[in-house]
Amino acid sequence: EPEVTQTPSHQVTQMGQEVILRCVPISNHLYFYWYRQILGQKVEFLVSFYNNEISEKSEIFDDQFSVERPDGSNFTLKIRSTKLEDSAMYFCASGPGLAVGELFFGEGSRLTVL
Amino acid sequence: AQSVTQLDSQVPVFEEAPVELRCNYSSSVSVYLFWYVQYPNQGLQLLLKYLSGSTLVESINGFEAEFNKSQTSFHLRKPSVHISDTAEYFCAVSDQGGYNKLIFGAGTRLAVHP
Repeated sequence: EPEVTQTPSHQVTQMGQEVILRCVPISNHLYFYWYRQILGQKVEFLVSFYNNEISEKSEIFDDQFSVERPDGSNFTLKIRSTKLEDSAMYFCASGPGLAVGELFFGEGSRLTVL
Repeated sequence: AQSVTQLDSQVPVFEEAPVELRCNYSSSVSVYLFWYVQYPNQGLQLLLKYLSGSTLVESINGFEAEFNKSQTSFHLRKPSVHISDTAEYFCAVSDQGGYNKLIFGAGTRLAVHP
């Protein structure tokens, strides 16, 4: 069964460093998303991406964050200068199209900022 | 904007007992509704969804949820739980006109005891 894959599963970084989280969505999907879950809190929407551009972003997704689909298969989330409060589990998701509703999630990348 | 309230942060229950996990939502537009499950150290998996049609939806492992528009609820039930149902359960909503962005509730931790 096709699945969304994410790398790395866990990354530890120093505050102020750049981090890139990678995702390979399901191949025929058109819509891509990043969510995050701070330990013990709810899953929060960060950004959605369609047709090679951001379709919607939350207030969390500030100038320190960026997304890219560099080669037609990978979907990356970059945090330019990490802060302690960026420590969280980051989930990538993809969806086949509008009016279908269901999103398929990866297993997440745990980011720890020291 | 949509929001989701899961009234119980934790629900302890004995094996083979029935369980109900409560979910209420608010939205000014028509929505799709979902329950996702997160097993320890895993990603989010779709448990069941309501898009249209019958207000009672079922999963393959015995869970069911009923969409109640007048009460803006989408409670999850199972008549007899197993130890393996121990997990975090997230209710989520997306508006029918958007880019399938999911808004999640805070989650309910279901702990099934022998």
